[in-house]
Amino acid sequence: DAKTTQPNSMESNEEEPVHLPCNHSTISGTDYIHWYRQLPSQGPEYVIHGLTSNVNNRMASLAIAEDRKSSTLILHRATLRDAAVYYCILRVYNAGGTSYGKLTFGQGTILTVHP
Amino acid sequence: EAQVTQNPRYLITVTGKKLTVTCSQNMNHEYMSWYRQDPGLGLRQIYYSMNVEVTDKGDVPEGYKVSRKEKRNFPLILESPSPNQTSLYFCASRRTGSYEQYFGPGTRLTVT
Repeated sequence: DAKTTQPNSMESNEEEPVHLPCNHSTISGTDYIHWYRQLPSQGPEYVIHGLTSNVNNRMASLAIAEDRKSSTLILHRATLRDAAVYYCILRVYNAGGTSYGKLTFGQGTILTVHP
Repeated sequence: EAQVTQNPRYLITVTGKKLTVTCSQNMNHEYMSWYRQDPGLGLRQIYYSMNVEVTDKGDVPEGYKVSRKEKRNFPLILESPSPNQTSLYFCASRRTGSYEQYFGPGTRLTVT
């Protein structure tokens, strides 16, 4: 499985944008980039995913480098509720769009948001 | 509300006493799986199920059993728990073809 590298921790102030980086230099053409986050005392929750193009949803934006060797999760205005561990995960899908569903979680980035 | 539920949320037991952690989802998802989370090791998959009566081992299946008799339920069985199974356990589900996996709230198990 292709590996991802994330900083151990990052800090932000409330209402400021946060850019969480992820390196995945060995990514293959069939790897989708997923982001999950785990709030304190909760299970992981899906944030966003993408393949090649930048993606936006109600929670965040995902910026993917042109060579796909890195990506950045962007929280446009951090809130205290965004304090969590953020995981960048690569997941393979076959040509039919099917994946076996295993998510290989690394250590993630601990995001601290200051009031 | 779409959700994955787990019971119990907390359990303290003794070595060798069989236990079952239940997992249920109300989203009619085909795929379900169990993970354990340990400090420094992240989340590791124990077992998964692609659909009813279809289960397979994940990365750390030793000491665990599962069954999938109904689509909504995927219980995790520890026939003879040992202290090294002390961990935080998460159940997850996903619709086939979907990119998003839903996780339960977790079960913290302590085996003494």
